[in-house]
Amino acid sequence: AQSVTQLGSHVSVSEGALVLLRCNYSSSVPPYLFWYVQYPNQGLQLLLKYTSAATLVKGINGFEAEFKKSETSFHLTKPSAHMSDAAEYFCAVSENYQLIWGAGTKLIIKP
Amino acid sequence: NAGVTQTPKFQVLKTGQSMTLQCAQDMNHNSMYWYRQDPGMGLRLIYYSASEGTTDKGEVPNGYNVSRLNKREFSLRLESAAPSQTSVYFCASSEARGPQATIYFGEGSWLTVV
Repeated sequence: AQSVTQLGSHVSVSEGALVLLRCNYSSSVPPYLFWYVQYPNQGLQLLLKYTSAATLVKGINGFEAEFKKSETSFHLTKPSAHMSDAAEYFCAVSENYQLIWGAGTKLIIKP
Repeated sequence: NAGVTQTPKFQVLKTGQSMTLQCAQDMNHNSMYWYRQDPGMGLRLIYYSASEGTTDKGEVPNGYNVSRLNKREFSLRLESAAPSQTSVYFCASSEARGPQATIYFGEGSWLTVV
């Protein structure tokens, strides 16, 4: 069975600083990978997804993620953090038509 | 465009009571899902319905039942609530149940069992 590991349950960055949220997966076949964001007291919404078309995937709100097969990683980045980016971010991998979810990383933005 | 709507948003139950969480989507999606979210555990799939008329167990189905009433509606029932079912429940839908499918979520239902 596949698994998803998100390093760091909480990540704190200053406004304007680089955001890096880490996601590693275990898979023996090329995966489909997703990043979802959950704002406080809301449901999750799709940020971006990797479907093997391109290794660098651009998403909404200036986020992007790079698929690195050799590292089995799909880290999420944003060059400059905004206060509005404060949320919880979930990485997920598709297996047997179901999503296997990471535990989530809360992004804290310091003014 | 409401998307995925679930009710109630908050509910407190006593152990042993029953309740039904209602969910409806207006995107004409075929597949619908119920997840629960617990701190530090991500989301866990309770049940899903790949299409109208079908339902299947997910990762944590014990203590729950579901009904796909029609294409729009998918309800989750707790027959005899237990404190371990205290959680945030999310209904979701997707156009099709495929590995690349984008899942759309409701805003969640906060359930406390005392």
